[in-house]
Amino acid sequence: QKEVEQNSGPLSVPEGAIASLNCTYSDRGSQSFFWYRQYSGKSPELIMSIYSNGDKEDGRFTAQLNKASQYVSLLIRDSQPSDSATYLCAVNTGYSNQFYFGTGTSLTVIP
Amino acid sequence: NAGVMQNPRHLVRRRGQEARLRCSPVKGHSHVYWYRQLPEEGLKFMVYLQKENIIDESGMPKERFSAEFPKEGPSILRIQQVVRGDSAAYFCASSKRGGLNEQFFGPGTRLTVL
Repeated sequence: QKEVEQNSGPLSVPEGAIASLNCTYSDRGSQSFFWYRQYSGKSPELIMSIYSNGDKEDGRFTAQLNKASQYVSLLIRDSQPSDSATYLCAVNTGYSNQFYFGTGTSLTVIP
Repeated sequence: NAGVMQNPRHLVRRRGQEARLRCSPVKGHSHVYWYRQLPEEGLKFMVYLQKENIIDESGMPKERFSAEFPKEGPSILRIQQVVRGDSAAYFCASSKRGGLNEQFFGPGTRLTVL
């Protein structure tokens, strides 16, 4: 079982819609959670970090964490074509130095 | 505010040669991580270093790979006697406090082994 799992997609949404990206993790002791955006051929760019159950909002982005169900999600409101990228979920267990990354979900926003 | 810097951005080596990848963390960050990304695969942790210390190298192959983060200068990932399977993007990330805290990535070095 992989530590972090994401649906690889591709996920397509029309411009202006809400894009919903999901991630599940296997280690119940995980303590910190991150969403990165990676454009093709570029490096990962940190979008959001979340440490507590519930929602965390930053502009058009909302991260949601549910530790009981072991999932974390990212909502992108008013999606723009420039949001088209691969979104990586990363998890840190707290007793390891590693960030465990999912393989990413490819998002395409259609104008 | 300079971010994480990596050089070279692209590196071509022939089989059997050595590859040296450099990483300068964000100013004020003393925690450095190296990751490898193969096409269509996720980022894989390789090694975690603080100044002059290797903290965790559990993700690094036992042979041919080594890393250092000297007191002065950048962190270096060294791959000796490269093979075609080493072709990948190598990313460095830095963190201010390590542990659970956010990591910021450099632009990466794309290694091609001929």
